[in-house]
Amino acid sequence: QKEVEQNSGPLSVPEGAIASLNCTYSDRGSQSFFWYRQYSGKSPELIMFIYSNGDKEDGRFTAQLNKASQYVSLLIRDSQPSDSATYLCAVNTAGGGADGLTFGKGTHLIIQP
Amino acid sequence: ETGVTQTPRHLVMGMTNKKSLKCEQHLGHNAMYWYKQSAKKPLELMFVYSLEERVENNSVPSRFSPECPNSSHLFLHLHTLQPEDSALYLCASSQEVQGIYGYTFGSGTRLTVV
Repeated sequence: QKEVEQNSGPLSVPEGAIASLNCTYSDRGSQSFFWYRQYSGKSPELIMFIYSNGDKEDGRFTAQLNKASQYVSLLIRDSQPSDSATYLCAVNTAGGGADGLTFGKGTHLIIQP
Repeated sequence: ETGVTQTPRHLVMGMTNKKSLKCEQHLGHNAMYWYKQSAKKPLELMFVYSLEERVENNSVPSRFSPECPNSSHLFLHLHTLQPEDSALYLCASSQEVQGIYGYTFGSGTRLTVV
């Protein structure tokens, strides 16, 4: 059974600070890792994906992957109120083909003005 | 719009009704998916179609029946649903790029079973 674990929050962060979101996964065969942002009543929107150990940066967002620890994180620098949303971690055993993503429950992030 | 269009956006149906959800992708992707999102639960993968063939059925009740007539269209046929089936139903499509499958979601259908 593939599982993805996230702290549901809410995680409250002051505006301008760094928000740190964490995710662990159970399937060692997982090969690609995704962070989605979901605003209330909306569909998930891809923020970043990562598949190699280490850090990957895109603007204010940095994804970090540690396959040995089965851990993936998302850092949001200079947090803005518009970053307030639920962040979903998802993993895929891409080697098997288009077998879909396994999602965590999501972390509710609140950026306080 | 993300390139994946779902209709209707909202649906209220009785337990004896039959209805269908529709999804259309304009991205040239070769795989499509149905997901269910309920409150307090992770997104649940229901069905996968790759190259128009169903490749996975995660023990979904038979009152949900998918159909994929071509690589751009996906349907979810609903009949004799239960109130606990009320949820947001999301369609997604994907395409492999350098070994990574990028998934794009539609806006979803908010289903209420009464």
